[in-house]
Amino acid sequence: DVKVTQSSRYLVKRTGEKVFLECVQDMDHENMFWYRQDPGLGLRLIYFSYDVKMKEKGDIPEGYSVSREKKERFSLILESASTNQTSMYLCASRPPDRGFYQPQHFGDGTRLSIL
Amino acid sequence: GESVGLHLPTLSVQEGDNSIINCAYSNSASDYFIWYKQESGKGPQFIIDIRSNMDKRQGQRVTVLLNKTVKHLSLQIAATQPGDSAVYFCAEMGFKTIFGAGTRLFVKA
Repeated sequence: DVKVTQSSRYLVKRTGEKVFLECVQDMDHENMFWYRQDPGLGLRLIYFSYDVKMKEKGDIPEGYSVSREKKERFSLILESASTNQTSMYLCASRPPDRGFYQPQHFGDGTRLSIL
Repeated sequence: GESVGLHLPTLSVQEGDNSIINCAYSNSASDYFIWYKQESGKGPQFIIDIRSNMDKRQGQRVTVLLNKTVKHLSLQIAATQPGDSAVYFCAEMGFKTIFGAGTRLFVKA
């Protein structure tokens, strides 16, 4: 089974801090994703990466950046945390789309609170 | 723009009954659909998928139906159990993946 591991389940940070959320997958997937999940809004894509050192903006990239130095690891960075970034953050990975789509596999999420 | 939505935000069923969770999509070009289950405190878990060349797909106690004419997707859970209590949401995959907001399923003992 695919294992996507997010380093923290709960995190509390202060406004203005630089925050790092880490995600590791063990299935050698090329594609990795960061979402935030808010009540009533569903999953919204922040950034994704389809290869090492590659990154693409999703629907809501403002205030975030990412790093993909190794294939198995995809980090989300909040450059200067703000209270409106309090949310559940979900990391996912997926095999490459070689002619047909395949499902994303998710980690258990990091519930981040910005005070 | 494209959207994937669920008709009901909550669904309450009696243990042992069948559950039906619905999803509407608007992009007729989408060709792959997924249902996820998300339990409290956990990440979304893949349940079942269906490609657009199929109308129905069955798994263990779950069935997904796809009606391309009305752009509607449903998840049927047979003999619903307390362990089925969770949020269920659909996802539509094309150039990008679009997720529905989710339906919370409550199972009454």
